[in-house]
Amino acid sequence: KAGVTQTPRYLIKTRGQQVTLSCSPISGHRSVSWYQQTPGQGLQFLFEYFSETQRNKGNFPGRFSGRQFSNSRSEMNVSTLELGDSALYLCASSLNTGKPYEQYFGPGTRLTVT
Amino acid sequence: DAKTTQPNSMESNEEEPVHLPCNHSTISGTDYIHWYRQLPSQGPEYVIHGLTSNVNNRMASLAIAEDRKSSTLILHRATLRDAAVYYCILRDAGYQKVTFGTGTKLQVIP
Repeated sequence: KAGVTQTPRYLIKTRGQQVTLSCSPISGHRSVSWYQQTPGQGLQFLFEYFSETQRNKGNFPGRFSGRQFSNSRSEMNVSTLELGDSALYLCASSLNTGKPYEQYFGPGTRLTVT
Repeated sequence: DAKTTQPNSMESNEEEPVHLPCNHSTISGTDYIHWYRQLPSQGPEYVIHGLTSNVNNRMASLAIAEDRKSSTLILHRATLRDAAVYYCILRDAGYQKVTFGTGTKLQVIP
């Protein structure tokens, strides 16, 4: 079974631009979560989607948004990029939600904002 | 959100057991204790999780204190492939939202 895939793997953007990252979960997984990883803050939860609905959200500004499609694929968008948004963005999928199902992480998208 | 505290780094000799501690004194009754590890240039990988009782799987064992305020991940025989950052994580039973600690960087010495 194929793992979680994220595209693109690397991205360079300029401050003020917007960016869209994509995540394809493991086949059959219905929950997708997004995380931001930086050297200073570590791994921080962004949001989780299940059945096209956002179930939970971390403490990030409204510039960070996401959505999930009917096939469980998910996208996250960051508008008006800031230098501090440079990070590794990780997507994780799990079979379901509402229970402590283990999450399977993708390799991440490395975003650099200049 | 409940937080976890882990040592920044630990060393172990190859083929020796490793005990990775985690403190979570503010854990709530519905929080599950999860462990993930992250190898260099990879996303985190699930290791094990538990609620109250000790747990074993093919990768590791998880020992949970009776008051649930601490736990220990046990790797029975460390290999060079176990060198990674290990995260102790609390996850609410109802959501996927997690609180990651700073992690313990495990170095395995041949």
